[in-house]
This record gives sequence, structure tokens and C-alpha cells, in this order.
Amino acid sequence: DAGVTQSPTHLIKTRGQHVTLRCSPISGHKSVSWYQQVLGQGPQFIFQYYEKEERGRGNFPDRFSARQFPNYSSELNVNALLLGDSALYLCASSLTGTDTQYFGPGTRLTVL
Amino acid sequence: QQQVKQSPQSLIVQKGGISIINCAYENTAFDYFPWYQQFPGKGPALLIAIRPDVSEKKEGRFTISFNKSAKQFSLHIMDSQPGDSATYFCAAVGGATNKLIFGTGTLLAVQP
Repeated sequence: DAGVTQSPTHLIKTRGQHVTLRCSPISGHKSVSWYQQVLGQGPQFIFQYYEKEERGRGNFPDRFSARQFPNYSSELNVNALLLGDSALYLCASSLTGTDTQYFGPGTRLTVL
Repeated sequence: QQQVKQSPQSLIVQKGGISIINCAYENTAFDYFPWYQQFPGKGPALLIAIRPDVSEKKEGRFTISFNKSAKQFSLHIMDSQPGDSATYFCAAVGGATNKLIFGTGTLLAVQP
């Protein structure tokens, strides 16, 4: 089975722009979580979704939003990009949201 | 109370040696402790995990030791190989959102 897939792999944006990142979970998994990993640090939790409902939100500003679709794929949206949003954005999927999370390869976002 | 403290920040081990990485937590609501391995440009990959009702778990060359009273846990890599060179993150999960709280990471270099 394919693992978690994310697109695009790399992205370069300028300050003030908007970005949409996409994630497809492992087949059969109904929960998706998003994490931000700044260079040299551990991933920080942004959102968790299960069955299209938001289950949890981390300490991120309202510029960050997400949604989950009926096929369990997910989008992370970031508005009004700041230089500090430059990071590796990771998507993780799990069966129910309360079990082991498996990560995708991430999307590397660079904000200039 | 939501933090997971990890040490050392970096570690150099000779091939065949034992690599030891330590983590500590405060929140007693944490009930699942995974370790992730991350190679440059890749997402974290689950290595091994433990629940607090067990004091030790071994999978191949990887062992987690867990001390519930001290709120500490550690990863031991036996017979370390150059291919083990990567960044290792401990994490903790617990509570309503099931979000992963990551340590700050340990960069392991195994010298041939």
C-alpha cells in the first residue's frame, strides 16, 4: 500500500501570499494531522481532523486553516505568509486519530 | 507541562557501539511514547513505541527503557551502524487531541 503522500514537494512564495498544501492519507486511515517543522526543531502540532471534523488545534494563528474531504484527504491553507512560516509541513495519518501516526515526506515551504 | 525534554542534542558513536538518547516529560496524562527517525529531507518514520505499563520494549537493535516514576524514557541503539545516522525524536501523546509532542531531536552520527 502507498504511504502518506503530500504535494507539492517544494514551494516558494513571497510574503503576503497564500498557500495550499495537500495530503492523501494511507488507504483506510480516517484521520489526518498537520505539523510544522522549522529547521533544527521537532515538529509542532497544527491541526487534527477525523471524519471531516476538527479534533484539535495547536497554538497557531488564524492565518492557518485546514479541512478534510469525504475521501479523507486534507488541505492546509496559510494566508498572509510571513518569513517565519518557512518550514517543512508534515502530514500524518492514522486509522482513528487515537492510534499510531504515520508521516508523509512533507512539503518544504520557503517564504521570501 | 506539555514539553518533552530530549538530550543530547548531538551524538557521535563508533560503528558497533551503543547509542543512548534520553527524554523526560512532566505531564502524567501522556500514555504513549513513540520514537521517530528522520533522514534529511524526509518525514519522520516511526521506529518503536511504548506505553507506560511496560518498563522495556525491544525490537531488533532498538530498545526503549521506560521509568514511569521518574517520568523518563530512553532509546538504546545496539550495534550502531553508519546507516543509523539520522535525527531521532522522542514524542509523547495523551489527552483529548492525541497530538504528538516532540522532543527537540538528537542528531546521531555513527562513524565507520
